[in-house]
Amino acid sequence: AQKVTQAQTEISVVEKEDVTLDCVYETRDTTYYLFWYKQPPSGELVFLIRRNSFDEQNEISGRYSWNFQKSTSSFNFTITASQVVDSAVYFCALSESFGNEKLTFGTGTRLTIIP
Amino acid sequence: GAVVSQHPSRVICKSGTSVKIECRSLDFQATTMFWYRQFPKKSLMLMATSNEGSKATYEQGVEKDKFLINHASLTLSTLTVTSAHPEDSSFYICSACRESLRPDTQYFGPGTRLTVL
Repeated sequence: AQKVTQAQTEISVVEKEDVTLDCVYETRDTTYYLFWYKQPPSGELVFLIRRNSFDEQNEISGRYSWNFQKSTSSFNFTITASQVVDSAVYFCALSESFGNEKLTFGTGTRLTIIP
Repeated sequence: GAVVSQHPSRVICKSGTSVKIECRSLDFQATTMFWYRQFPKKSLMLMATSNEGSKATYEQGVEKDKFLINHASLTLSTLTVTSAHPEDSSFYICSACRESLRPDTQYFGPGTRLTVL
């Protein structure tokens, strides 16, 4: 069975600080996909990144970066120089291999950026 | 990015009535759509996988007769909550994948907040 664990329920940081959101996953599949989504107060989930299990390269997109380590089954998300607009609930998710995109979500981390 | 819409965005109904929620992929075709449910301050739980032209696949514990899913076309899936009760109050979210880009990222609709009185 697949499982995604986001141990940090809530995090608060002061604006401009860096913050890392942790994600640990479990799966028996050798091919899988990992995702991060942002859910602002409006409720709509915003796609941030997708990574397949064969691509362990870290990725940077502006102030966002992701660290994927298969050895520890982790896919952590870092926001540098945080801004108030980053305040939201962030979900890490896992899907099975090709042809079945059922997503298993973590419980989410509520991030609050304090002005 | 791909756009998915949901209608209505918010609905309040009396106990015992049925409520239909629509999910549309606006600029792409989606053979498969997904329906999730999210309780306040909780994670998303997959309810069912909606397949165009065939029956939906429900997750364990989800009542098929309670939550009717119809995937009438490549751009529309509907979720009908039948004989709604207060415990059905929740945030319902659909998602869709672009058929031409499987495997693909799921793009989510804005959600429908259902309140059953």
